[in-house]
Amino acid sequence: NAGVMQNPRHLVRRRGQEARLRCSPMKGHSHVYWYRQLPEEGLKFMVYLQKENIIDESGMPKERFSAEFPKEGPSILRIQQVVRGDSAAYFCASSPFSGQNTGELFFGEGSRLTVL
Amino acid sequence: LAKTTQPISMDSYEGQEVNITCSHNNIATNDYITWYQQFPSQGPRFIIQGYKTKVTNEVASLFIPADRKSSTLSLPRVSLSDTAVYYCLVGDIDTGFQKLVFGTGTRLLVSP
Repeated sequence: NAGVMQNPRHLVRRRGQEARLRCSPMKGHSHVYWYRQLPEEGLKFMVYLQKENIIDESGMPKERFSAEFPKEGPSILRIQQVVRGDSAAYFCASSPFSGQNTGELFFGEGSRLTVL
Repeated sequence: LAKTTQPISMDSYEGQEVNITCSHNNIATNDYITWYQQFPSQGPRFIIQGYKTKVTNEVASLFIPADRKSSTLSLPRVSLSDTAVYYCLVGDIDTGFQKLVFGTGTRLLVSP
């Protein structure tokens, strides 16, 4: 059973370009979470999605950032017009739908965005 | 959300037992305590979770006193590969994982 798959692992963009980060959750998981981690800092929640629905985007910057989790295919975190401050590691996590949560999130290896 | 406080860093040697304590003075009745481990350039990995008293699995033990205002993650006989950042999270998991806040964690360095 493959784990959470994220790609690309590393992405370099120039200021003003767009960045697209993809996340395929573990098989059978319908809940996806995106976190951002700046160097030497903890992870900060960005957005929580279920298939075709954004459940909580309270951690997403109001502009330039968007996320989706379509019925088919991976979840995508999209950053438009990137700036240097967007340079960070972006982690995706998934969890199964269950009537009883276990408190366990399954994380991917992360996508490291560098903005030049 | 219950705020957690844990040491920024700890040093240990191979074979020793390591105890990392986390303070969460304003923990709520429905909150669980969860610990994650993160290696460099990797995503966090769930270690253990508990509500009260003691929980043990193949990796670690979690000790929670009766007042639940703190918890201690115990790693028996650490090895070099246990060098990582350890995060203590407190929250009501039934209201959504997004409510779990990752602080800066405790950076554990295990030396030979």
